[in-house]
Amino acid sequence: QVQLVESGGGVVQPGGSLRLSCETSGFPFSGQDMQWVRQAPGKGLEWVAFIRYDGTRKYYADSVKGRFTVSRDNSKNTLYLEMTSLRPEDTAVFFCAKDRSSGYYYGGPVDHWGQGTLVIVSS
Amino acid sequence: EIVLTQSPGTQSLSPGERAILSCRASQSVTSSYLAWYQQKPGQPPRLLIYGASRRATGIPDRFSGSGSGTDFTLTISRLESEDFAVYYCQQYGSSPLTFGGGTKVEIK
Repeated sequence: QVQLVESGGGVVQPGGSLRLSCETSGFPFSGQDMQWVRQAPGKGLEWVAFIRYDGTRKYYADSVKGRFTVSRDNSKNTLYLEMTSLRPEDTAVFFCAKDRSSGYYYGGPVDHWGQGTLVIVSS
Repeated sequence: EIVLTQSPGTQSLSPGERAILSCRASQSVTSSYLAWYQQKPGQPPRLLIYGASRRATGIPDRFSGSGSGTDFTLTISRLESEDFAVYYCQQYGSSPLTFGGGTKVEIK
């Protein structure tokens, strides 16, 4: 079955950096578009980033553009989110998300989610 | 950016009742690229509806979606105990993808 397992979360100071990973299994990762979505404590969902199956197209939320970078290693079935210049308002659970099908230009509906990894930005 | 406004913020209903949730977009959603998710505390979201009206795999037929353009609706025909949760709409027709603020369906 499809599995998405995030790691790399933790506590980081404002201005710091962190790299999240999402190890996947149970589906052909190299042919699948992927996303990151986050949720601040007690708040709603916020889309963060999209990456096409081959890594040639990426989109970001305005709130993270220029600070976050999404990437993937199809040989390792792993998705990444490199986060720099972190701010307290980036504190959230970050979910790795698999599109239901590839081909949506900006990303599509998500049919599988990881359990999330918590990032806390605080001094 | 397309802003999605969900209403009501909270809906208090009894099991067996019908729930009608609204999602209004600030501009037309391309190709009805509108999805609905259910989220329970401590869990990731679960896809219910995509393409405004298509049920995702394994979703019971008491869940239905409708609408186009800027007005969309999720209907739960007869609430069961496991349906009490928070529901989010999401548009994926244009970047940035956006979510609504959510509607909480609670037990009356």
